[in-house]
Amino acid sequence: DIQMTQFPSTLSASIGDRVTITCRASQSISSWLAWYQQKPGKAPKLLIYKASSLESGVPSRFSGSGSGTEFTLTISSLQPDDFATYYCQQYNTYSKTFGQGTKVEI
Amino acid sequence: VQLLESGGGLVQPGGSLRLSCAASEFTFGSYAMSWVRQAPGKGLEWVSTIDVSGDSTYYTDSVKGRFTISRDNSKNTLFLQMSSLRAEDTAVYYCAKAPGGAATTRFDCWGQGTLVTVSS
Repeated sequence: DIQMTQFPSTLSASIGDRVTITCRASQSISSWLAWYQQKPGKAPKLLIYKASSLESGVPSRFSGSGSGTEFTLTISSLQPDDFATYYCQQYNTYSKTFGQGTKVEI
Repeated sequence: VQLLESGGGLVQPGGSLRLSCAASEFTFGSYAMSWVRQAPGKGLEWVSTIDVSGDSTYYTDSVKGRFTISRDNSKNTLFLQMSSLRAEDTAVYYCAKAPGGAATTRFDCWGQGTLVTVSS
């Protein structure tokens, strides 16, 4: 199975900060990568797909980049609603795998 | 799009449970569907995916031979039959929809989850 490694595991930031989360795949997954946001007690929400495509309705302060094995999620200006845990997910194979998550906290 | 899971609860190790996911507000039979779980305080783990017809199914290694995914397109319902349950299967189980018919894909809509607790 393809392993996904996210870092950092926890990130402390302030309102208005530019935030970057990295996800690394154990082998090339082309651009078959998604990013999700999850808040406590809630289901995950899709933010980005195919590495850099913004899901409909997601604010433009979220962006994704990368291909192959290295990917990033960037929040250009952190807002109060963005404090949450973020997961990457590869879907290059039928056996889909998630990163371990990055908690963005104040 | 709405997905509503049910069937979770407390079960003893070695026991069985059947989860259901009722879908509405979209053409259920046109989309691949999956189950994703999250153990308490842990990250997300893909469990299983089924294609639009139900003919092709995929499982993570830890549940192969114990879990069976199925669907009833006439009733807009997804199922997960779980048997030989172990403590490590304790998790919130989410039903998740693919954006199309492909089984190799992301999840664009999720249910609210149903908690399965395996304990004596």
